[in-house]
Amino acid sequence: DTGVSQDPRHKITKRGQNVTFRCDPISEHNRLYWYRQTLGQGPEFLTYFQNEAQLEKSRLLSDRFSAERPKGSFSTLEIQRTEQGDSAMYLCASSRSGSMAGELFFGEGSRLTVL
Amino acid sequence: EDQVTQSPEALRLQEGESSSLNCSYTVSGLRGLFWYRQDPGKGPEFLFTLYSAGEEKEKERLKATLTKKESFLHITAPKPEDSATYLCAVQAGSGGGADGLTFGKGTHLIIQP
Repeated sequence: DTGVSQDPRHKITKRGQNVTFRCDPISEHNRLYWYRQTLGQGPEFLTYFQNEAQLEKSRLLSDRFSAERPKGSFSTLEIQRTEQGDSAMYLCASSRSGSMAGELFFGEGSRLTVL
Repeated sequence: EDQVTQSPEALRLQEGESSSLNCSYTVSGLRGLFWYRQDPGKGPEFLFTLYSAGEEKEKERLKATLTKKESFLHITAPKPEDSATYLCAVQAGSGGGADGLTFGKGTHLIIQP
């Protein structure tokens, strides 16, 4: 069990640039989630995939945010035209279909700093 | 709108000093309540799931309980390695993965040797 892997762990960018984060879930997990966590807050749900289908995306923060999971394995989260308010930890989590949907395995996160 | 409120925000205990963390929630159609532990700079780590009022779960020095309006995480004789932020989360709605979790802000627990 190699766990959920996220890359990069840290990203510093200038306002207006695009950034992309990658998540590799645990291999047998078909459910994949993205959350955002700001300092002093709990994680905030963004989007959910079951295999390659994005079944929930209404919680993405704006149309600058998009996510893909093209082959049902790894996923990417892209933020276009970054703003300082996008600075946060972006967490990926996965779980098996059939398990309770709240029993998630989280990665260590990708920390974004927008200057 | 689902709401989760955790208290206290921070708690400092001496090693061996037992205490409880509170999680109060407002949700329509609770599917499950979850406790996670988060160490600095890491992602949350799953601890417990509670489904219905009266349910209890235990793991080492931790015990989680659930009522219709709140959950408690009891920590007995804690050790310094129990220091972490403890997060409570709820899942509502029709179930399945599409209903993301709603997290509280967490309780930052420090156990002093």
